Amino acid sequence: QSVLTQPPSVSGAPGQRVTISCTGSSSNIGAGYAVLWYQQLPGRAPKLLIYGDSNRPSGVPDRFSGSRSGTSASLAITGLQAEDEADYYCQSYDTTYVFGTGTKVTVL
Amino acid sequence: QVQLQESGPGLVKPSQTLSLTCTVSGGPISSGGFYWSWIRQFPGKGLEWIGYIYNSGNTYYNPSLKTRVLISADTSKNQFSLRLNYVTAADTAVYYCARRPGEEDWFDPWGQGTLVTVSS
Repeated sequence: QSVLTQPPSVSGAPGQRVTISCTGSSSNIGAGYAVLWYQQLPGRAPKLLIYGDSNRPSGVPDRFSGSRSGTSASLAITGLQAEDEADYYCQSYDTTYVFGTGTKVTVL
Repeated sequence: QVQLQESGPGLVKPSQTLSLTCTVSGGPISSGGFYWSWIRQFPGKGLEWIGYIYNSGNTYYNPSLKTRVLISADTSKNQFSLRLNYVTAADTAVYYCARRPGEEDWFDPWGQGTLVTVSS
C-alpha cells in the first residue's frame, strides 16, 4: 500500500501546463526526505526524471520541474508534448523507500 | 554506461521460491559507492522497494518482506540475485533491478524488468 498519494490521471492539450501532486505525511516528505520523480513510458521501466526535489538529470528537458512544500510535492510539465504521455511516480523515504500511487498523463 | 538485465523463471508455483538474477554491464558491482537494488511493480502499477546489497555483502530489506527475502552477489560474474521464499499470488509482479548511488535516494538506471507470475 503506497503511502504517497497521487491523482490517478491528469490530461492536457499539447503546449499546455499540467501538474501532478504527491501527498505524503510528516514521516516522509514532511520529515525532509528528498522527493524523486520517475517517468514510465508504456512497456518500459521507470526512468529518473527529477532528483533532490527539483533537480533534473542530464538529458531531461527543462519543461519538467519539481517542487515541494510541507508534506507534499509537485511535478509540473510545461509545453506538454505527445511524447510526455506516460505514467509518473513520486518517491521518497519513510521507514523504507516509498513510491506514489502513480499518475497517468494523457495528451489530448 | 551501466546497464542492468534481469533473468529468471517467469512462472513460480505457490509456496515455492522465486529466484532472479540481475546481470550488470558497464562497471563492476564490486566498486564502492552503489547500492544494487530490487524493486517490483504489481499488476495494478504500484511500486514496492524490496531491498539492496552493497559492498558486495551488506544487505538491507523492506521490513514487510524481510523474513522471506535474500539478496546476494557474485562479483566474479558481475551479478546480484534475489530469492523470495514462500511466494503467493500476491507476489505476482514485474521485478526490476536498479542501482542507487550511495549518497543519494534515487534509483537509476533500472533494468527492463521481468514478469513473474505465481500460479499453480
